[in-house]
Amino acid sequence: AQKITQTQPGMFVQEKEAVTLDCTYDTSDPSYGLFWYKQPSSGEMIFLIYQGSYDQQNATEGRYSLNFQKARKSANLVISASQLGDSAMYFCAMREGRRTSYDKVIFGPGTSLSVIP
Amino acid sequence: NAGVMQNPRHLVRRRGQEARLRCSPMKGHSHVYWYRQLPEEGLKFMVYLQKENIIDESGMPKERFSAEFPKEGPSILRIQQVVRGDSAAYFCASSPRIAGGSTDTQYFGPGTRLTVL
Repeated sequence: AQKITQTQPGMFVQEKEAVTLDCTYDTSDPSYGLFWYKQPSSGEMIFLIYQGSYDQQNATEGRYSLNFQKARKSANLVISASQLGDSAMYFCAMREGRRTSYDKVIFGPGTSLSVIP
Repeated sequence: NAGVMQNPRHLVRRRGQEARLRCSPMKGHSHVYWYRQLPEEGLKFMVYLQKENIIDESGMPKERFSAEFPKEGPSILRIQQVVRGDSAAYFCASSPRIAGGSTDTQYFGPGTRLTVL
């Protein structure tokens, strides 16, 4: 069964608009972490944002925010004021287990975001 | 503060040759993870290593693939007798292991793109 689901293979957004990239996850572990990574066409993986399962508030990093809905097991990424440089693949990922255990991270299939000028 | 370094960035091998991929973790990081990304797919976990120890190799193919992280020097992912299906991007990530620390986030290197002719 898929642990991480990203239902949008491709998304388009107008420059300066906000966009939400969906991510749902499946785990029975009460302790987990959720990540978003960006992969531009150059290929590197860039860490964007992290949300811990016990964090009370939604994570924010600059123009990135994570809409964490624990009961729904969703962790959507919101990018505000899109820029052309935001065009890339975006991967949602999950680390299961306690922080003292190792960080086996499972990635979703990704969403391709294209920002239109 | 150098990030995770991988070399080579691009590697071309003929079927049956050996491929050696190197990864130097970020300074202060003692945990290394290898992932494989096939074309048009997300990243798949291969192996997790600490210095001189393989902690989890559940994602490694049983044959031809091996990994090490010696006491001195970079982590090495070795693929023997490569086949066309090994063509992929191989990413290395590193993390510190700070119990009770912040995010235990994995930081990725730029990847090695292996092409098997």
